Amino acid sequence: KAGVTQTPRYLIKTRGQQVTLSCSPISGHRSVSWYQQTPGQGLQFLFEYFSETQRNKGNFPGRFSGRQFSNSRSEMNVSTLELGDSALYLCASSLGGDGNTGELFFGEGSRLTVL
Amino acid sequence: AQSVAQPEDQVNVAEGNPLTVKCTYSVSGNPYLFWYVQYPNRGLQFLLKYITGDNLVKGSYGFEAEFNKSQTSFHLKKPSALVSDSALYFCAVTWTPGGYNKLIFGAGTRLAVHP
Repeated sequence: KAGVTQTPRYLIKTRGQQVTLSCSPISGHRSVSWYQQTPGQGLQFLFEYFSETQRNKGNFPGRFSGRQFSNSRSEMNVSTLELGDSALYLCASSLGGDGNTGELFFGEGSRLTVL
Repeated sequence: AQSVAQPEDQVNVAEGNPLTVKCTYSVSGNPYLFWYVQYPNRGLQFLLKYITGDNLVKGSYGFEAEFNKSQTSFHLKKPSALVSDSALYFCAVTWTPGGYNKLIFGAGTRLAVHP
């Protein structure tokens, strides 16, 4: 069974640009969550999508957005990049239904560097 | 506010000795608790979880954790450490109702197992 796939794995952008990151969940998983990992702030929750609807949202500015498609694949977008957006962005998938228990399967992340 | 504390930045232990990595939490609602491990430049791997029931939870690679409601703690333990256990360990919590996959992570504890 294939794991969670994130693309691209590494990318470099400059301030003011925008970026789109992609996540393909494990087959059959309907929930996709996004987390930002930085040395200073640690792991922080961005948002979660379940069946194409945002189910939960963290405390990030509106420059951070996401969406989920009917096949459960998800994308997140960051507009007007700032230096502080440099981070490892982790996607996680889970079954996400009524029996959801928060057990997440993480991808290996997309490492974004903003210059 | 929901929070997780891992009071130790690093834990050092000799191979073959028992190890403990500490975690305390604060949530409104019923907690779901997790331990994840991260190896360099990789995503997070699930170790174990507490949802309900027996306070002693057994997980992957010989790890276990004990849920203590009165002390709001969920310490990770292993009877005999291996050098290959050296990694970054994260405690996380979500809650019911409403938390879903919004995991709040601790800052992480680096475990160093010396031969």
